[in-house]
Amino acid sequence: LAKTTQPISMDSYEGQEVNITCSHNNIATNDYITWYQQFPSQGPRFIIQGYKTKVTNEVASLFIPADRKSSTLSLPRVSLSDTAVYYCLVVRRGSARQLTFGSGTQLTVLP
Amino acid sequence: NAGVTQTPKFQVLKTGQSMTLQCAQDMNHNSMYWYRQDPGMGLRLIYYSASEGTTDKGEVPNGYNVSRLNKREFSLRLESAAPSQTSVYFCASSEDRVYSPLHFGNGTRLTVT
Repeated sequence: LAKTTQPISMDSYEGQEVNITCSHNNIATNDYITWYQQFPSQGPRFIIQGYKTKVTNEVASLFIPADRKSSTLSLPRVSLSDTAVYYCLVVRRGSARQLTFGSGTQLTVLP
Repeated sequence: NAGVTQTPKFQVLKTGQSMTLQCAQDMNHNSMYWYRQDPGMGLRLIYYSASEGTTDKGEVPNGYNVSRLNKREFSLRLESAAPSQTSVYFCASSEDRVYSPLHFGNGTRLTVT
């Protein structure tokens, strides 16, 4: 499965838009890009998933360029409660057992 | 709607002791998973069950056994605990649809002394 690379940590201030970029150079045709969020003492929570272009839901947007070698999770107007670890995963059809959660990006939102 | 429930939340064991971590989901999912999370290493898959009666090894199965008791429940057993098994253990479940996201419980924090 495609290996992902994302920043170890990011800081932001309340009310700002935060963009976390993930690199996945070896992504395959049937792979999807999925992002999870994890708060301390909780399990990861699914945020958003996409294949190409742009996906938006009530929590975030996901931007995927045409070559799909990277993706950007965008969190609009963050608040202190968005402080968490964010994981980027490449998901292949039928390979649930091979999901790899890396170390993720620790986002800290400052007042 | 409870989702994925794990028990216990915390446990301390001495080396060599055994215990079973319990997991139950109420979302009628076929697939269930056990992960462990260690500092700086993300989550690693221990075992996976695609349906009742089937289990498969993940990335780090050594030292663990699992039982898919029924569709709702998937337990993880440590027969002889070792300090290297000190970790946070997460259970997850998912639908059978392609690319279905995982739903996680809140974890069991296990310390082996």
